[in-house]
Amino acid sequence: GQNIDQPTEMTATEGAIVQINCTYQTSGFNGLFWYQQHAGEAPTFLSYNVLDGLEEKGRFSSFLSRSKGYSYLLLKELQMKDSASYLCAALDSNYQLIWGAGTKLIIKP
Amino acid sequence: DAMVIQNPRYQVTQFGKPVTLSCSQTLNHNVMYWYQQKSSQAPKLLFHYYDKDFNNEADTPDNFQSRRPNTSFCFLDIRSPGLGDAAMYLCATSAGGSSLDEQFFGPGTRLTVL
Repeated sequence: GQNIDQPTEMTATEGAIVQINCTYQTSGFNGLFWYQQHAGEAPTFLSYNVLDGLEEKGRFSSFLSRSKGYSYLLLKELQMKDSASYLCAALDSNYQLIWGAGTKLIIKP
Repeated sequence: DAMVIQNPRYQVTQFGKPVTLSCSQTLNHNVMYWYQQKSSQAPKLLFHYYDKDFNNEADTPDNFQSRRPNTSFCFLDIRSPGLGDAAMYLCATSAGGSSLDEQFFGPGTRLTVL
């Protein structure tokens, strides 16, 4: 079956760095997305990786290893507004998004 | 600004009373999706349209129907809502046609069933 695994919850300190891991098993693979979702709001796009390696976009970076079925989202210089859920989603061979349940990130002062 | 709009943002209905949620988009995207998301869970795809081509997920209950009268609008009809249908309903769009297919989400409609 198809499956996305990511931690349920993580806590980090303002100004620090946090890495949110995601492993995936899908029928075929056409890329991996990270979305941010604040409580009660819709998901918003953060990143897309289809090739192995690190994609950097400001304070956020995303990494992909296709051979390991693994990705991570790295958040630097954490701000209180980064408190949200971070959803990992893999695009399968039918170009359908397979979603993880999200990692709730709690930022403490 | 181009966007995905959902109305209403909050909807309260009674058990068994039909309800319709609406979504419109100004992005001129080919694909429109309806997701159901319950608290602390992944969004669950209910169905999607590629243009007028309707695609129903195998485990979407018959209670849920959808209409897409034109490119801009898509509706989710819940014929007989049950207590278990209380959730956030997310509409999303994508351009379609390539693997780099970012989905743009509307703000969602939170459905309460009394």
